[in-house]
Amino acid sequence: NAGVTQTPKFQVLKTGQSMTLQCAQDMNHNSMYWYRQDPGMGLRLIYYSASEGTTDKGEVPNGYNVSRLNKREFSLRLESAAPSQTSVYFCATQDRDRAANEQFFGPGTRLTVL
Amino acid sequence: GENVEQHPSTLSVQEGDSAVIKCTYSDSASNYFPWYKQELGKRPQLIIDIRSNVGEKKDQRIAVTLNKTAKHFSLHITETQPEDSAVYFCAASTAGSSASKIIFGSGTRLSIRP
Repeated sequence: NAGVTQTPKFQVLKTGQSMTLQCAQDMNHNSMYWYRQDPGMGLRLIYYSASEGTTDKGEVPNGYNVSRLNKREFSLRLESAAPSQTSVYFCATQDRDRAANEQFFGPGTRLTVL
Repeated sequence: GENVEQHPSTLSVQEGDSAVIKCTYSDSASNYFPWYKQELGKRPQLIIDIRSNVGEKKDQRIAVTLNKTAKHFSLHITETQPEDSAVYFCAASTAGSSASKIIFGSGTRLSIRP
């Protein structure tokens, strides 16, 4: 089992460009999350999806959109990238059905916006 | 919404000594408090968690204490070893709700001196 996978691993964008970060999981978990991690700021929640077909805003949603394509996949889109969006992005999953609360993280995508 | 504060931001201890990291939270409805460890360049991984109906939990050299009245919880690592060097994040959430939105502290960089 691959667990939680993210693509790409690294990306460099110019200001104003758009891109989609992909996340996929084979853990059969209902809930999926997108975080960004900046130095000294910890992990901040961008968007989350409690189950297929639902999405909700987290702490820092501005400048991002998400799509829960199916149970396995949850993508994060930057429509017009800005230097302030330079960060490491982590996807995570959670097995809400079992009332388990541990979140499992993907390996991360390191994004630089010039 | 929930706010989690974590102290100190950096901590250096002699190998074999103990390390203590402290967190406070603001939402009295929070009832689940996980701790994640993140090694350099890696994804965060759960090391221990505690629910609000328990005051203390131990797992080998790691222990977590919770004071619900004061809204603070702490991570204790005894007999520290070089492999304990990492960034540690505390977090708080409301388990059992439709989606467990976890709010993280800003992290503590722990260094173990040989």
